[in-house]
Amino acid sequence: NAGVTQTPKFRVLKTGQSMTLLCAQDMNHEYMYWYRQDPGMGLRLIHYSVGEGTTAKGEVPDGYNVSRLKKQNFLLGLESAAPSQTSVYFCASTPGGTNQPQHFGDGTRLSIL
Amino acid sequence: AQTVTQSQPEMSVQEAETVTLSCTYDTSDQSYGLFWYKQPSSGEMIFLIYQGSYDEQNATEGRYSLNFQKARKSANLVISASQLGDSAMYFCAMRELQTGANNLFFGTGTRLTVIP
Repeated sequence: NAGVTQTPKFRVLKTGQSMTLLCAQDMNHEYMYWYRQDPGMGLRLIHYSVGEGTTAKGEVPDGYNVSRLKKQNFLLGLESAAPSQTSVYFCASTPGGTNQPQHFGDGTRLSIL
Repeated sequence: AQTVTQSQPEMSVQEAETVTLSCTYDTSDQSYGLFWYKQPSSGEMIFLIYQGSYDEQNATEGRYSLNFQKARKSANLVISASQLGDSAMYFCAMRELQTGANNLFFGTGTRLTVIP
């Protein structure tokens, strides 16, 4: 049972480069999320999706774009990477519902030089 | 604005003892949920326990229980019979149920060390 799979697990970029992080879930969940985790700051929501074809901004959306063309996939894009985007990125999904937790991927460690 | 505060950046506990991790929150909504996650050094986020704002009883899951005090807006995690494998970061998170987006607001975490 794969759950939530993030690709890649590690990546090093140079400032100004672009890349896409892929999140795939096999649980048929409606809701998907992208977070970033920085030391001492917990997890902060970047963007989220409440269903296929929908996206919305979270707490820290600047510098990122997302797409959810298929229900099982949620892509996070960095168009022009900056050192401030060095972080660990987590994808999560949930079916919705009052007591349903979010299920997390294992994270992507991204370094921007 | 929704806020979640974990006031103890680090804690330690002797193996086999009980430890309480603090979580306070602020929301203007009456309907919300509280979650605790564990993040071991390997980095994954593991769901531990859930408490709904209308739940009359404190949640329990094995060695984990929630000390939920709604009037004080606190949802402390109690870990009983601590084990070495409990050493990890612990995050408290709140979900407001009225927005429909099921977003979670996380605290900054507490690093727990279990001493043998």
